[in-house]
Amino acid sequence: GAVVSQHPSRVICKSGTSVKIECRSLDFQATTMFWYRQFPKQSLMLMATSNEGSKATYEQGVEKDKFLINHASLTLSTLTVTSAHPEDSSFYICSALDRAQGTIYFGEGSWLTVV
Amino acid sequence: AQSVAQPEDQVNVAEGNPLTVKCTYSVSGNPYLFWYVQYPNRGLQFLLKYITGDNLVKGSYGFEAEFNKSQTSFHLKKPSALVSDSALYFCAGSYNQGGKLIFGQGTELSVKP
Repeated sequence: GAVVSQHPSRVICKSGTSVKIECRSLDFQATTMFWYRQFPKQSLMLMATSNEGSKATYEQGVEKDKFLINHASLTLSTLTVTSAHPEDSSFYICSALDRAQGTIYFGEGSWLTVV
Repeated sequence: AQSVAQPEDQVNVAEGNPLTVKCTYSVSGNPYLFWYVQYPNRGLQFLLKYITGDNLVKGSYGFEAEFNKSQTSFHLKKPSALVSDSALYFCAGSYNQGGKLIFGQGTELSVKP
C-alpha cells in the first residue's frame, strides 16, 4: 500500500514551547490530508482537514490558533502545536488521501509529551 | 447523522478459529467503507475497502469483509485467526470518495494460542 511518513515519532517539549509534526505522502500526491488525535485505547478524533494551497478546515472545538496546519505542497502537511501544555500530550496521527486509489492512508503517529 | 458503530469493545478468539469483527453504518447515499488495523503505539494500517461492486471484499493478511446493504453492516472476517492478528481494529465510513472518515469506536481483537 501507499506510504505516509510522519516525523518525529516521539517528541518531548517544555510547556510553553511549540512543536512541529510533519506528514509526508511518499509515493503519491495528496491534495487532502487529515490530522487526528488519539487517546489510549480510544478511537481517533479528527482535528482538521488540510487542503493543499488553502486554509485547513477545523472540527468544532479545535483551536485553530493553537493547532496550526500548513499544507504547502502536494506531499507535505505540518501540524504545529503552539504554546504547548501538558494536556496537549497525546498521540497525533495524520492521514493522506490517495485520490487515484480512493483510499486514505495513515502515518505511524507521533507521541507528544509536554513537560 | 452519519455514524459507524462497532458494537463489541473486545473479541476473543482461539488461534485457528474463524474470527468476526462487527461493524454497522449509517451513512447517507452509497457508503465508502474501510477497515484498518492498529498495533500498539503505531498508526493505522489499511486492510480493505468497499466502494462498489462485489459485496465480498478481500484484503490484506487474509482478511475479508462483506457489505450487506439490507443490514447496513460491513463485518470483518478471517477464516483462521493467528496470534499476530491481535490488535485494535477500526471500521470507518465516508459518504463520498475522499471525504473525511467517520470511525467506529474500535474493537480489540485478542487471539490466544
